[in-house]
Amino acid sequence: DVQLVETGGTLIRPGGSLRLSCAASGFSVSNSYMNWVRQAPGKGLEWVSVIHSGDSTLYADSVKGRFIMSRDNSKNTLYLQMNSLRADDTAVYYCARMPSVFFGMDVWGQGTTVTVSS
Amino acid sequence: EIVMTQSPATLSVSPGERATLSCRASQNVHSYLAWYQQRPGQPPRLLIYGASTRATGIPARFSGSGSGTEFTLTIRSLQSEDFAVYYCQHYNNWLLAFGGGTKVEIK
Repeated sequence: DVQLVETGGTLIRPGGSLRLSCAASGFSVSNSYMNWVRQAPGKGLEWVSVIHSGDSTLYADSVKGRFIMSRDNSKNTLYLQMNSLRADDTAVYYCARMPSVFFGMDVWGQGTTVTVSS
Repeated sequence: EIVMTQSPATLSVSPGERATLSCRASQNVHSYLAWYQQRPGQPPRLLIYGASTRATGIPARFSGSGSGTEFTLTIRSLQSEDFAVYYCQHYNNWLLAFGGGTKVEIK
């Protein structure tokens, strides 16, 4: 089965740092465009970042300069390093696979919750 | 930056009726447009990609149309499990964006 499992979400104080992980099974993250998408409580979906097959990354303006996306192909795992966290980063964070440039995001994890609060 | 705008924000429909959801892009996204369904407490589910191609396992009552800047998701004969929030998303360039969502509720 193709599956994504996010971990690492927790309660953290403003200004803190946190690393989320997304473990993939049933496919290789190195062959796909992998994304992080977040959803604040009661709000809509917000795209956060993408990593391409060539390891290049792009970020939404709201997280650029604070978040870093990476992957470890040997562990088949994605990461999202989140620095200088703010209250408006509070959300459920999903990782999602996009198999090719012609596709949408066809596989999603169940999400991990990040709460930024003092 | 491409901005995606969905309308209406809420759509009240009776079971068995048709629902028509709209999505507008601020720039031409060609056919690089996907639709997702999200039920409460669940991650999104891909319904449509390439503006009009149903994803694997999606029932034929879901259909997508449009290109460029105007897109439509039609749900024919709404079933109980179709009452949910629907999002459009462009992937014309790699600064992806979602619309604000349309909640389809029971009338």
